[in-house]
This record gives sequence, structure tokens and C-alpha cells, in this order.
Amino acid sequence: AQSVTQLDSQVPVFEEAPVELRCNYSSSVSVYLFWYVQYPNQGLQLLLKYLSGSTLVKGINGFEAEFNKSQTSFHLRKPSVHISDTAEYFCAVSRGGGFKTIFGAGTRLFVKA
Amino acid sequence: GAGVSQSPSNKVTEKGKDVELRCDPISGHTALYWYRQSLGQGLEFLIYFQGNSAPDKSGLPSDRFSAERTGGSVSTLTIQRTQQEDSAVYLCASSLGTSGTGILETQYFGPGTRLLVL
Repeated sequence: AQSVTQLDSQVPVFEEAPVELRCNYSSSVSVYLFWYVQYPNQGLQLLLKYLSGSTLVKGINGFEAEFNKSQTSFHLRKPSVHISDTAEYFCAVSRGGGFKTIFGAGTRLFVKA
Repeated sequence: GAGVSQSPSNKVTEKGKDVELRCDPISGHTALYWYRQSLGQGLEFLIYFQGNSAPDKSGLPSDRFSAERTGGSVSTLTIQRTQQEDSAVYLCASSLGTSGTGILETQYFGPGTRLLVL
């Protein structure tokens, strides 16, 4: 069975500081990995995804994530955050082929001035 | 093109009443998901429809919750005898879903229905 663990429920950070949101998954087969973002009072939208190939994936708004198979991790990073990055971030995993996508519990990123 | 739509956007009901929430997925998407997002909580998976297969109902919290998908398109989530703890935002998402390639598993979310049970 697949599962996703987001190790931090909340991450406060000052503006222009770097940030890393952690995500670990468990699966016995190859998976596809996603990060979704939900801005305040808005719907969920895809931030980036890993399907295959390069383990460093770049997404929208300057975010990137690195797939680490040996550590079963897919941590999300941004070198310098903005106030507008305040949102909830969800890591997700899918086996594809009609299997359902599993979401983590979410990490609330709060960027302070 | 049109995205996933949900109706109503807001619903206030009295404890004990039944409610129906509707989801219109993106045309051509065979996979449809329902999630619940309670205040301060993450996404809670409720039910998953994939094509003509039997739905995965493993996330439904009680037998008061049910969902159907007519004609492989529109879905309705029904909550019977609502309780105050059912208050949450109910999100629907769809994806192309049938291929083995992950790109087709990207989910597109609707705006949600905010349910308040008084």
C-alpha cells in the first residue's frame, strides 16, 4: 500500500529566507509524485510533478523538488520565499494506471515579513 | 476549456437533514475523486470512481455518506442525517486516469462546496 507523510504540519519562515517542505512516501512499486498548493480561499492547483527522468523537478513560482528514490523522499524547496507563498502545500503519490492518488496531510507555510 | 465545477458553492443545513453535493468533472476525464477538508485539517479521501469499475469507497467515514456517478460523468455525494462534524469543504477532482503514464493522473480540483451543519 502507498502512503505519504508530510513531516511538518506548519512551517513559519521569514520573507526571502529559503524553505524546505518535507515529504516521504512508501510504495513497493514505481510511483509518480506531485506537489499541490492551496492558496488562502482558493482551490488546489498543481505545483509540480515527477514522472520520470531528471530527479530535480521545477515547478511554478520558483519552487522545485527533488526525487530521492533511496530515501523515498520528494522534498519541496524554494531558495527565497515571498509573502505570497503563504499557502498549504500537499504532497501526493500515484501509481498511475487507474490507481488512486494518495495525499499527505498538508504543510501550512506561513511567510512572515 | 471548462474546469471541474461543483454546486452549490455554499450549503447551510440543519442537523439531521440530508444534503446532496454535485460535481461536474472535466469532459473526458474517467477518474473522479471526492475529498473532505475540515477546518485546520488536510485532505481526507472519501471515494474514487475510475471508469466503469466499482468505486473505491474506503474513505467514506460512515454509512451516512454515499456517492454515485451517472453515465461516467456527473457525480453526486449524498450525506444523510447530517451531523455538525460533517461541516467541512467538500472537494471534487477529476483526472484522465486510465493510462499508465503519470501525467494523466494530474488531478484538477473544483472550487469545493462549503458545508455548514447547524
